[in-house]
Amino acid sequence: SQTIHQWPATLVQPVGSPLSLECTVEGTSNPNLYWYRQAAGRGLQLLFYSVGIGQISSEVPQNLSASRPQDRQFILSSKKLLLSDSGFYLCAWSAIVYNSPLHFGNGTRLTVT
Amino acid sequence: GIQVEQSPPDLILQEGANSTLRCNFSDSVNNLQWFHQNPWGQLINLFYIPSGTKQNGRLSATTVATERYSLLYISSSQTTDSGVYFCAVLNTGGFKTIFGAGTRLFVKA
Repeated sequence: SQTIHQWPATLVQPVGSPLSLECTVEGTSNPNLYWYRQAAGRGLQLLFYSVGIGQISSEVPQNLSASRPQDRQFILSSKKLLLSDSGFYLCAWSAIVYNSPLHFGNGTRLTVT
Repeated sequence: GIQVEQSPPDLILQEGANSTLRCNFSDSVNNLQWFHQNPWGQLINLFYIPSGTKQNGRLSATTVATERYSLLYISSSQTTDSGVYFCAVLNTGGFKTIFGAGTRLFVKA
């Protein structure tokens, strides 16, 4: 069966520090991968999605970037964190078959101080 | 882009009560999912239901794609049903799943 791993679960970082969040998927090949962010008490905002290695689509211009160095690995990064980057970050995958459902990891709660 | 609206935004129920949550979407969709976000933040897949009706225990969902809405029914609610319920849609020809703002449910013992 397929599983998605996301770490760390919680993270506290000072303003101006770098960020790297990692997500990996097991049990499937060529998944579509996604990063979402959820601000406190709000809905989910799509940040990036990828349909293949090295292919990244950005939905919201911001202080973050994403990379997909391997088929089942998706990384969210920042060179310098802002206070507004605080939130709950969720990685998700869907099968390459069109219209496949989304499956989420457990998320990373990031607090920028 | 496609708009997803959920109602009501907040709902308080007494344990044992039934409820209906609604999701309206503004354009044709190929995929609709209902999720439950528990108090720890985990998003749990409830239903993948682009059309028709499905049931899973005390929960059921119906999507009428031609009229652009979906309903989630919760019967005999329990305190563990508390959390936020999200509707999410994948628009025709797209790769992006768009979420509604959610319905926050609190079930009182």
